[in-house]
Amino acid sequence: DIQMTQSPSSLSASVGDRVTITCRASQSISSYLNWYQQKPGRAPKLLIYAASSLQSGVPSSFSGSGSGTDFTLTISSLQPEDFATYYCQQSYSTPYTFGQGTKLEIK
Amino acid sequence: QVQLVQSGAEVKKPGASVRVSCRASGYSFTGYVMHWVRQAPGQRLEWMGWINAGNGNTKYSQKFQGRVTITRGTSASTAYMDLSSLRSEDTAVYFCARAEYSGSLNWFDTWGQGTLVTVSS
Repeated sequence: DIQMTQSPSSLSASVGDRVTITCRASQSISSYLNWYQQKPGRAPKLLIYAASSLQSGVPSSFSGSGSGTDFTLTISSLQPEDFATYYCQQSYSTPYTFGQGTKLEIK
Repeated sequence: QVQLVQSGAEVKKPGASVRVSCRASGYSFTGYVMHWVRQAPGQRLEWMGWINAGNGNTKYSQKFQGRVTITRGTSASTAYMDLSSLRSEDTAVYFCARAEYSGSLNWFDTWGQGTLVTVSS
């Protein structure tokens, strides 16, 4: 199975900050990497697919980059509604696997 | 709009089975693959398997092989996930998620609201 590791596991930031979350795969997954946002008690929401494509309706403050084994999710200017947990997911091979999550909290 | 609506919360005893349903609306059900993902309390998301809603083909995670069965009812535009021989570790929120594809690239663009399954004696 492909292991997905995110860093950091938690992050404190302020409204307006720029934040970056990293995701590393245990083997090359090309661009088969997706990012989701999850709020407590809610289903995950797709933000970025295929490593760098912005899902329709998602603010342009979100961006993704990377290929192979190393990927990043960047939020250019944090808004109050962005405080949530973020997961990366590889869709290169089954079983599809997710990172452990990065909890973004208000400083 | 595209929507997935899941069945309600379940409480089961160890050794029992559970069925969770996922009713799709707003798109052609048989034109997509439906996945099932679960999340135990405080844990990461865990992929369980998928079904091609058009031809019924399935693929399961080895972890759940033999215990999980995913089916669909095309007339009802509904996918089902059956999990048997339940144990306490199966206590989780179960999600269905529609997959969108571009070539072999794929992602989960729409999710159900989740169904809490609690396994307790």
